[in-house]
Amino acid sequence: EAQVTQNPRYLITVTGKKLTVTCSQNMNHEYMSWYRQDPGLGLRQIYYSMNVEVTDKGDVPEGYKVSRKEKRNFPLILESPSPNQTSLYFCASSWTGGNQPQHFGDGTRLSIL
Amino acid sequence: KNEVEQSPQNLTAQEGEFITINCSYSVGISALHWLQQHPGGGIVSLFMLSSGKKKHGRLIATINIQEKHSSLHITASHPRDSAVYICPNQFYFGTGTSLTVIP
Repeated sequence: EAQVTQNPRYLITVTGKKLTVTCSQNMNHEYMSWYRQDPGLGLRQIYYSMNVEVTDKGDVPEGYKVSRKEKRNFPLILESPSPNQTSLYFCASSWTGGNQPQHFGDGTRLSIL
Repeated sequence: KNEVEQSPQNLTAQEGEFITINCSYSVGISALHWLQQHPGGGIVSLFMLSSGKKKHGRLIATINIQEKHSSLHITASHPRDSAVYICPNQFYFGTGTSLTVIP
């Protein structure tokens, strides 16, 4: 089954404790992206990757890092999480960027205390 | 600025009603995507279209590239259609249209 898998689905942690949210897709998609969703703001892009070893900042990259060492995986790293990063996070993938349908993961709800 | 304007922002309908959600863009588009986000949070791709009209069950999407406008229609609406509908312009998503269908 074609899917985008995010882990964990839920996480409560404390300020400053490094965390990683993993994202994996099994569709051989070149493009992957991370979004955060906050009430009243919709989905906002954090980082995206057009292919292996190619990553770029989205609209709200501050406080986040990503890596794309292999095509299927695109982890989101919060080196020193802060309460303003409490949000619902989605990973998505598509064949290429731009006008291609994106497949979304189920979301990860992060709470930073 | 690459923005999307959806209308209405919130919509409540009776079961069985015909529903229309509109999207307008501030910059040119070559194709567009309609997404559905259910109350549980999961996001599903409904349509990707670059011209004309597409139909999937009770859902119909239309697009006019020249006018930078798209519409999503739901015929014979049902409570399970209650969700947020989003039409991102490439990677700008906006807040979508929140639809509630009452039995």
